[in-house]
Amino acid sequence: AQTVTQSQPEMSVQEAETVTLSCTYDTSESDYYLFWYKQPPSRQMILVIRQEAYKQQNATENRFSVNFQKAAKSFSLKISDSQLGDAAMYFCAYRSARGGSEKLVFGKGTKLTVNP
Amino acid sequence: NAGVTQTPKFRILKIGQSMTLQCTQDMNHNYMYWYRQDPGMGLKLIYYSVGAGITDKGEVPNGYNVSRSTTEDFPLRLELAAPSQTSVYFCASTGQGFTGELFFGEGSRLTVL
Repeated sequence: AQTVTQSQPEMSVQEAETVTLSCTYDTSESDYYLFWYKQPPSRQMILVIRQEAYKQQNATENRFSVNFQKAAKSFSLKISDSQLGDAAMYFCAYRSARGGSEKLVFGKGTKLTVNP
Repeated sequence: NAGVTQTPKFRILKIGQSMTLQCTQDMNHNYMYWYRQDPGMGLKLIYYSVGAGITDKGEVPNGYNVSRSTTEDFPLRLELAAPSQTSVYFCASTGQGFTGELFFGEGSRLTVL
């Protein structure tokens, strides 16, 4: 079974600075998808960014980018120019690309605090 | 569109009581999921459904039941509530041709005393 590990229970960053959240995963598959979800205090989960394993290019969405290292099974999230609204729980998630299985496996999350 | 709607948002149960968490989506999504979120433990999959009439167990199904009689609705039934079921429950859905984006409800906080 696949597992997702987020080794940083909590992180903090100064407003306007850059922070990197770590995620590693374990799988024997070669084709899969990886995601970062954000959960603000309102509790609703929001997709931040996704990466297809077959793509070598790292995904980017505005201030959010990933560093995808397939061989190392590492998938970190970089948040640039941090804003107060970025404060939230961040979850890394894995999904197999095998047909018929649309389940996401989540890590335990990293709580990000943004200091003004 | 309302997206994924969960009710109730908050509920307190006594040990041994039963209840149903309702989940409905208006996006015509085939796939629906129930997760529970415990502090420091991330989200764990309880049950999921790949279409009307089809359900399957996730990682932590014990003490729960589901049904999927329509595409829109995916209720989660708690039988004989126990303190270990105190948690925040999330319903989510996604369409065929999974792009990766699960659409989540706002969550239901359940406390069993």
